[in-house]
Amino acid sequence: DTGVSQDPRHKITKRGQNVTFRCDPISEHNRLYWYRQTLGQGPEFLTYFQNEAQLEKSRLLSDRFSAERPKGSFSTLEIQRTEQGDSAMYLCASGPTGGETQYFGPGTRLLVL
Amino acid sequence: QKEVEQDPGPLSVPEGAIVSLNCTYSNSAFQYFMWYRQYSRKGPELLMYTYSSGNKEDGRFTAQVDKSSKYISLFIRDSQPSDSATYLCASYGSSNTGKLIFGQGTTLQVKP
Repeated sequence: DTGVSQDPRHKITKRGQNVTFRCDPISEHNRLYWYRQTLGQGPEFLTYFQNEAQLEKSRLLSDRFSAERPKGSFSTLEIQRTEQGDSAMYLCASGPTGGETQYFGPGTRLLVL
Repeated sequence: QKEVEQDPGPLSVPEGAIVSLNCTYSNSAFQYFMWYRQYSRKGPELLMYTYSSGNKEDGRFTAQVDKSSKYISLFIRDSQPSDSATYLCASYGSSNTGKLIFGQGTTLQVKP
């Protein structure tokens, strides 16, 4: 399967802990996006990479959030000192340069207790 | 006001019905329009992509964009129970970022 993959699929953590999610994009895609989706809402943009460069970050991405894409391949999203409000589905998408289409992974569902 | 507005439903139809799903948007710079289907607890799946105004057809699905009224539609013909899902419209203005702005999503239930 050459689709977007995300790991883990589910994560339960206690408030104050750090968590890290991984996304493996479709191999030929230069662009990689992170979105967050809460129940009953559409996904909200967090950040995106063109190869290894992080080109845009949403104001939703507080200082506790950091994303990387070393070598322009997989990406990680880390949340430090998690809060209950961080509970959501974290979605990764990839697409070709030009961005006309984005293909989403299955998401990582985070629950902060 | 959100940039992309979508009635959350739920919308319930009998099998075989024609379904019409709609969104409005406020940003005149939007040029690219997508429809995604999302099953419960899954990632969104790209259904249709259109650029600027006009219609695009793919099997039982037709996407329609009217830029003059800032209105986006998705029609599903001969709806099936397997079409039961949440449908998300999304748009963006510049291919420089591809940052998608999503609507809230409309939940569709097709009853056998």
